[in-house]
Amino acid sequence: KAGVTQTPRYLIKTRGQQVTLSCSPISGHRSVSWYQQTPGQGLQFLFEYFSETQRNKGNFPGQFSGRQFSNSRSEMNVSTLELGDSALYLCASSPPGLAGLQETQYFGPGTRLLVL
Amino acid sequence: KNQVEQSPQSLIILEGKNCTLQCNYTVSPFSNLRWYKQDTGRGPVSLTIMTFSENTKSNGRYTATLDADTKQSSLHITASQLSDSASYICVVVMNTGFQKLVFGTGTRLLVSP
Repeated sequence: KAGVTQTPRYLIKTRGQQVTLSCSPISGHRSVSWYQQTPGQGLQFLFEYFSETQRNKGNFPGQFSGRQFSNSRSEMNVSTLELGDSALYLCASSPPGLAGLQETQYFGPGTRLLVL
Repeated sequence: KNQVEQSPQSLIILEGKNCTLQCNYTVSPFSNLRWYKQDTGRGPVSLTIMTFSENTKSNGRYTATLDADTKQSSLHITASQLSDSASYICVVVMNTGFQKLVFGTGTRLLVSP
């Protein structure tokens, strides 16, 4: 089975721009979660989607949004980039099973975003 | 405040030796606790997930323990290998209607030959 894939792998944007990142989960997985990882803050949870609905949400401001399509692929969007948004953005998928974040998560390689 | 603290921040051990990483948390209400291994430049890989009723779980040379009364967990690595060099992240999942994850900042382990 193919793993979680994320595109693009690397991205450079300037402050104020908008960005969309894509995540394709493992086949059969319906839950997709997004995380931000920075050297200073470590890993932080953004949100989780399940069956095209946002099921769980972290403490990030409104310029971070996401969506999930009927094939479980997910996108994350940042509407107005700030310098502090430079980070590794990770996506993880989970197999069907217990509700919520109870199942093992399988992470993709991440998208490294640099905001200039 | 919901927090997960890991210690030590970094650790160097000789190949073949054992080591134990610590995770203390103040997260409530508790749903489950996870340990992840993250190699440099790659996404985390799940090692163990433990719920409230589980106090030990093994995954090969990795053994995690959980004491829900004292809110402490440990990850023990037996007979370390060079490939164990990585960051180890402790994560506690809260269940408040929404489920939220609280991450530790990780322990960076270097296994030296």
